[in-house]
Amino acid sequence: QSALTQPASVSGSPGQSITISCTGTSSDVGAYDYVSWYQQHPSKAPKLIIFDVSKRPSGVSNRFSASKSGDTASLTISGLQAEDEADYHCCSYSGGDTWVFGGGTKLTVL
Amino acid sequence: QGQLVESGGGVVQPGGSLRLSCAASGFRFSDFGMHWVRQAPGKGLEWVTLIWYKGSSYIDSVKGRFTISRDNSKNMLYLQMNSLRIEDTAVYFCARMNYYNMDVWGIGTTVTVSS
Repeated sequence: QSALTQPASVSGSPGQSITISCTGTSSDVGAYDYVSWYQQHPSKAPKLIIFDVSKRPSGVSNRFSASKSGDTASLTISGLQAEDEADYHCCSYSGGDTWVFGGGTKLTVL
Repeated sequence: QGQLVESGGGVVQPGGSLRLSCAASGFRFSDFGMHWVRQAPGKGLEWVTLIWYKGSSYIDSVKGRFTISRDNSKNMLYLQMNSLRIEDTAVYFCARMNYYNMDVWGIGTTVTVSS
């Protein structure tokens, strides 16, 4: 039950694109197509923005996209906006009715 | 869409106990599994436990100390935390299970374990 690995921080300028990686193992990210991503503004509840590797819930901007290759999942945010500045957390189902999160990535919009 | 509101957090000494509650509204509570997820100060999220029709599951670090339960008649989720450790200090969120993701979250309740 080791945490997934995410970069501690990423940054980008308005209008640019950024990608956040999320590396797990063959027991979690690599084993299941059940990776989800959550956006969390300071002192707020996390918000689901991606589920099942690459699906967006209704109401989430199509500027958010995601994919998976092997043991690594990725979240891409295009056309960066100031409101995108937040923490982003990846999560994977890890079997046996357990889940594992990443350490979180702080996105700074310059 | 649904709403979740946690309560019951506070300051407790190591070895002590605390019971967290999560009030659900706006959806048929009994139809959904429910998670507890925590976030230690300055850290990422950590999945803690799940309760659903198949039963319950826990992260290894809380097995034997924490117990998740629910009262569907009251639309309430609970987390009984015993033998608390300093490393259990965190904001505790309840979240609705939607297949393999968590689609509705509460605002969290803070648990501080300190002597």
